Amino acid sequence: NAGVTQTPKFQVLKTGQSMTLQCAQDMNHEYMSWYRQDPGMGLRLIHYSVGAGITDQGEVPNGYNVSRSTTEDFPLRLLSAAPSQTSVYFCASSYSNWGTVLNSPLHFGNGTRLTVT
Amino acid sequence: GENVEQHPSTLSVQEGDSAVIKCTYSDSASNYFPWYKQELGKRPQLIIDIRSNVGEKKDQRIAVTLNKTAKHFSLHITETQPEDSAVYFCAAKKSDMRFGAGTRLTVKP
Repeated sequence: NAGVTQTPKFQVLKTGQSMTLQCAQDMNHEYMSWYRQDPGMGLRLIHYSVGAGITDQGEVPNGYNVSRSTTEDFPLRLLSAAPSQTSVYFCASSYSNWGTVLNSPLHFGNGTRLTVT
Repeated sequence: GENVEQHPSTLSVQEGDSAVIKCTYSDSASNYFPWYKQELGKRPQLIIDIRSNVGEKKDQRIAVTLNKTAKHFSLHITETQPEDSAVYFCAAKKSDMRFGAGTRLTVKP
């Protein structure tokens, strides 16, 4: 049971480049989410999904796209990277009923450290 | 959406003292309140949680209290140890999970 797996661990991009941060979980969690972590600002929610085929915006969605074609995978796409997107990105998942969200804790991946120059 | 505020942003205590971190939330429909500990360079890890139908929960040296009327909840760590030094985050959940900005706790030996 690997839990939540994020790749890559580190990435350096130039302004304007695109890339996809990968997230996969093997716990059959329906709820998955992406956060970015910046110094002094805690964890800010980018996008989340309550099940395959369903996604929704969080606090800071601009500049990011997501899709959820399977229960296991929840990739985060940066279409045109900007220096303001330099951050540590965490993917997290939890148990959920279809269409609702149970009160269950998030399990985090190990994070991706992204630098945009 | 939900807004979670956390205080203080930094907290320094002597080993053996107690530490208290406080959070407030804005959405009265939030019904789940976890606390996470994050060590340097690591991912956040759940240390304790409380649901809206409970006022207090304790796990050894860690306790959490919830006041739904006032919309605030607190983390209490007793008999602090140097290994308790980390950043602590509170969170509130309705349809999604929102986090406070974090408290950097330093326990001085």
